[in-house]
Amino acid sequence: DIQMTQSPSSLSASVGDRVTITCRASQSISGYLNWYQQKAGKAPNLLIYAASSLQSGVPSRFSGSGSGTDFTLTISSLQPEDFATYYCQQSYSTSVTFGGGTKVEIK
Amino acid sequence: QVQLVQSGAEVKKPGASVKVSCKASGYTFTSYRISWVRQAPGQGLEWMGWITTYNDKTNSAQKFQGRVTMTTDTSTSTAYMELRSLRSDDTAIYYCARDQLVLPAAIYGYWGQGTLVTVSS
Repeated sequence: DIQMTQSPSSLSASVGDRVTITCRASQSISGYLNWYQQKAGKAPNLLIYAASSLQSGVPSRFSGSGSGTDFTLTISSLQPEDFATYYCQQSYSTSVTFGGGTKVEIK
Repeated sequence: QVQLVQSGAEVKKPGASVKVSCKASGYTFTSYRISWVRQAPGQGLEWMGWITTYNDKTNSAQKFQGRVTMTTDTSTSTAYMELRSLRSDDTAIYYCARDQLVLPAAIYGYWGQGTLVTVSS
């Protein structure tokens, strides 16, 4: 299976901060990388698909980049509603895998 | 609007089986693949497998092969996931999720609300 490694596992940030989360695949996955946001007690919500395509309805402060093995999710100006856990997920292989998650907390 | 509504919470004893349902509405059920993802308490997301709804072809994670069965009932637009030989570490919230695109791509744009399965003696 393709291993997905996210860093950091958690971070503290303030409203208005620029936040970057990294996801690394154990082998090249081209651009088959998706990002999800999960708030406590809720199902995950798709933010970015195919590495950089913004899901309909998702604020433009969210952006994704990368290809091959290294990917980033950027929140340009953190808002109060963005405090959540973020997961990357590869859809390159028929055996789908998720990263371990990055919890974004209030500083 | 697209909705995936899952069955209610379950409590099972070790060694038992559980069958979780996921009733779809708001779209043509057989046009999109359904996947199953679980999340143990305080842990991350774990993909279990998917079922192609128009022909019932399945693909599951190696970890669950031999223990999981995914099926559909197209007459009721419902997908099912059965997990057998339950252990305490199967305690988790089980989610169904629908592909975002008609072309299968494991991009999960729609999720059920989750079903908590507790395995305890």
